[in-house]
Amino acid sequence: EIVMTQSPATLSVSPGERATLSCRASQSVRTNLAWYQQKPGQPPRLLIYAVSTRATGIPARFSGSGSGTEFSLTISSLQSEDFAVYYCQQYNNWPPEYTFGQGTKLEIK
Amino acid sequence: QVQLQESGPGLVKPSETLSLTCTVSGGSINRSPYYWGWVRQPPGKGLEWIGKFYYSGSTYYNPSLKSRVTISVDMSRNQFSLNLSSVTAADTAVYYCVSIYSGSYYWYFHHWGQGTLVTVSS
Repeated sequence: EIVMTQSPATLSVSPGERATLSCRASQSVRTNLAWYQQKPGQPPRLLIYAVSTRATGIPARFSGSGSGTEFSLTISSLQSEDFAVYYCQQYNNWPPEYTFGQGTKLEIK
Repeated sequence: QVQLQESGPGLVKPSETLSLTCTVSGGSINRSPYYWGWVRQPPGKGLEWIGKFYYSGSTYYNPSLKSRVTISVDMSRNQFSLNLSSVTAADTAVYYCVSIYSGSYYWYFHHWGQGTLVTVSS
């Protein structure tokens, strides 16, 4: 099983500032990496897939980067609605398996 | 716009079988290249993929749950179901049904149901 490790567990940032969230895979996942945002009481929402492609309707302030085992999600200028929990997710082709990181909580500083 | 809605009992006794149904509207389960599946989230914790299927019959499960999980489909009702047997308190979670876009070069969990909380307790 590929283990995904996110850091930090909690990130405190002020509105308007930049936030960078990290995700590390226990082995290479190539470009099979996605990011989701989850707010309390809601299902996760797709933000980024294939490492760096924004999903439909996702603002340009969200960007993803990385390759192999090291990935990051950057939010360039935090808006109030961005404070949430963020999960990275990998896909292993065979045997088919998806694993999520444990999440990073982005909170208002 | 595709919408998914979970339904089923909110309380299941230990050792019994958890059964949930997902109703898909706004799109067909036999829509390529989508898989359909289940994800769960224990209260206050992270996300765990349970399994997925393709309308043509391929089904895949999380190895950690494989011995207890069955996903089935009712194409005529545009529904699919989750059965998880021999449940314990560790299976208490919000269960989400999802659509999974599976293209040649990329994939993603596209549509999510609102989720349903299932508590395992006597």
